[in-house]
Amino acid sequence: DVKVTQSSRYLVKRTGEKVFLECVQDMDHENMFWYRQDPGLGLRLIYFSYDVKMKEKGDIPEGYSVSREKKERFSLILESASTNQTSMYLCASSPTLGNTIYFGEGSWLTVV
Amino acid sequence: AQKVTQAQTEISVVEKEDVTLDCVYETRDTTYYLFWYKQPPSGELVFLIRRNSFDEQNEISGRYSWNFQKSTSSFNFTITASQVVDSAVYFCALSEGFQFYFGTGTSLTVIP
Repeated sequence: DVKVTQSSRYLVKRTGEKVFLECVQDMDHENMFWYRQDPGLGLRLIYFSYDVKMKEKGDIPEGYSVSREKKERFSLILESASTNQTSMYLCASSPTLGNTIYFGEGSWLTVV
Repeated sequence: AQKVTQAQTEISVVEKEDVTLDCVYETRDTTYYLFWYKQPPSGELVFLIRRNSFDEQNEISGRYSWNFQKSTSSFNFTITASQVVDSAVYFCALSEGFQFYFGTGTSLTVIP
């Protein structure tokens, strides 16, 4: 079974803090993704990575950055958290682009 | 324009009723894939099924069945004899080439 693990399920951070969301997959997948999910807006792609050290912007990259130093790990960074970044963040991986995407359990981030 | 449309935002059924979740997609590609995911209250999106554009056979898995009709660009999902554990948000998705598109989801509540 594919396993995508997100390090934190629930976080509360203050405005202006730097926030790291970590994600690890154990299936040697080439591609990893970060999505954000908000009520009424569905899933929106923030960034994805198709290889180590490679990244591509998704639909809503503003205010976020990512890091992929190892194939199995993909980190989402909020340089200076703001209240409008309060959301559920979902990490995912897939063996090839366009193939089935497997998701982690999600991280609920509240910025106060 | 939406690539994947799930017109039903919320559905409530009484336990043991059958329910169909609609999904309409838009693509000009001849090769593409369609997916359904389930998101229970815990948050993780669980992969349910993937179909390629050349396979229009209906699929049945236990109480779940999927009806793929290219003529109407639809990929509908039916749950037979619904159970409380089926309560979740269900997402339809389309992949064409390297792009992956999600619908906005249908929230299903099964009332005991």
